[in-house]
Amino acid sequence: GAGVSQSPSNKVTEKGKDVELRCDPISGHTALYWYRQSLGQGLEFLIYFQGNSAPDKSGLPSDRFSAERTGGSVSTLTIQRTQQEDSAVYLCASTLGALSNYGYTFGSGTRLTVV
Amino acid sequence: QQQVKQSPQSLIVQKGGIPIINCAYENTAFDYFPWYQQFPGKGPALLIAIRPDVSEKKEGRFTISFNKSAKQFSLHIMDSQPGDSATYFCAAGGTGTASKLTFGTGTRLQVTL
Repeated sequence: GAGVSQSPSNKVTEKGKDVELRCDPISGHTALYWYRQSLGQGLEFLIYFQGNSAPDKSGLPSDRFSAERTGGSVSTLTIQRTQQEDSAVYLCASTLGALSNYGYTFGSGTRLTVV
Repeated sequence: QQQVKQSPQSLIVQKGGIPIINCAYENTAFDYFPWYQQFPGKGPALLIAIRPDVSEKKEGRFTISFNKSAKQFSLHIMDSQPGDSATYFCAAGGTGTASKLTFGTGTRLQVTL
């Protein structure tokens, strides 16, 4: 596609429910990143996929968070037993190769509200 | 070690002014320093980036100044316009394929008429 596509754009869920957020990166982009943006905060790194390598999960805040990337393309971020502090905008980015050559291309994000 | 500190948190300038946003990093392994611009409801978009082998880079009205010894870099917006009103994020990272960016906390810029 022309850009990074994220769905849904908005999600309201009840505390304790599980949610799945989807990211469809730009075709051919080998690296995919998930970040979280809380109100008034910067972008917090969550997880990073690069080709067939093991993902870098060092930013996941708890074991309630997990992500997978199927077939080197679409990625799903799953949050189990959601808490109110999980409310944020979840951003996905992809890149073709080395950061210094291409930078990130971000999607518009999924705004998650846990009530 | 991985932090990137950004200031100010918010900034208001008049049209034509030159807002300056500053960032400082700790990790000397960082060798790629981009700035991203974000409009409401959109994801951040790459604006301009610099490598530490140069002290300044200009693209249009946007300039990055880089001070390697001080581990600081800044964004200057020349002849600012109301359309520049957005949130700006600095970031730092490596240049290899197995790299990720560490972002600052953002600066909300408002350019008034």
